[in-house]
Amino acid sequence: DAGVTQSPTHLIKTRGQHVTLRCSPISGHKSVSWYQQVLGQGPQFIFQYYEKEERGRGNFPDRFSARQFPNYSSELNVNALLLGDSALYLCASSRDRGNTEAFFGQGTRLTVV
Amino acid sequence: DQQVKQNSPSLSVQEGRISILNCDYTNSMFDYFLWYKKYPAEGPTFLISISSIKDKNEDGRFTVFLNKSAKHLSLHIVPSQPGDSAVYFCAGRLSGYALNFGKGTSLLVTP
Repeated sequence: DAGVTQSPTHLIKTRGQHVTLRCSPISGHKSVSWYQQVLGQGPQFIFQYYEKEERGRGNFPDRFSARQFPNYSSELNVNALLLGDSALYLCASSRDRGNTEAFFGQGTRLTVV
Repeated sequence: DQQVKQNSPSLSVQEGRISILNCDYTNSMFDYFLWYKKYPAEGPTFLISISSIKDKNEDGRFTVFLNKSAKHLSLHIVPSQPGDSAVYFCAGRLSGYALNFGKGTSLLVTP
């Protein structure tokens, strides 16, 4: 079975632009979570979606939004990009809402210039 | 506010010896703890988890110990192998969904 897949793997954006990151969970997994990892830090929780509804949100500004589709894939959108948004964005999927065994994708490396 | 702390940024161990990675937490509401391993340019890989009602969980070469009174957990790798060289993250699960990660410990296993 394929693991969690994220696209694109790398991208470069200019300040003020917006970006859409995509995630396909493991087949059968209904929960998708998004994390931001900046250099030297652990991943920071952004959102969790379960059964197409937002179930949790971390301490991120409203410029960050996400959604989950009927096939359980997910998009993370970031508007009005800032230099500080440069990070590795990780998507994790789990079979249920509990995340007791969350599996991560390889991440999308976003650079804002 | 860092609720999960990994105070050792790096650790070097000889092949065949035991690696002990430590993690402290401040939030008593964590109900599960998870360990992840991360190689460069890859996403974190799940290793092992432990419920807050247990004090030990074992899976092959990996054992996690939880000391709730001290708010401390540790991951033991025995025996350590060069392929174990990676960054290890400890995470606490809060409110049934969000994982709070530490900053990671870089493990180097030398031949």
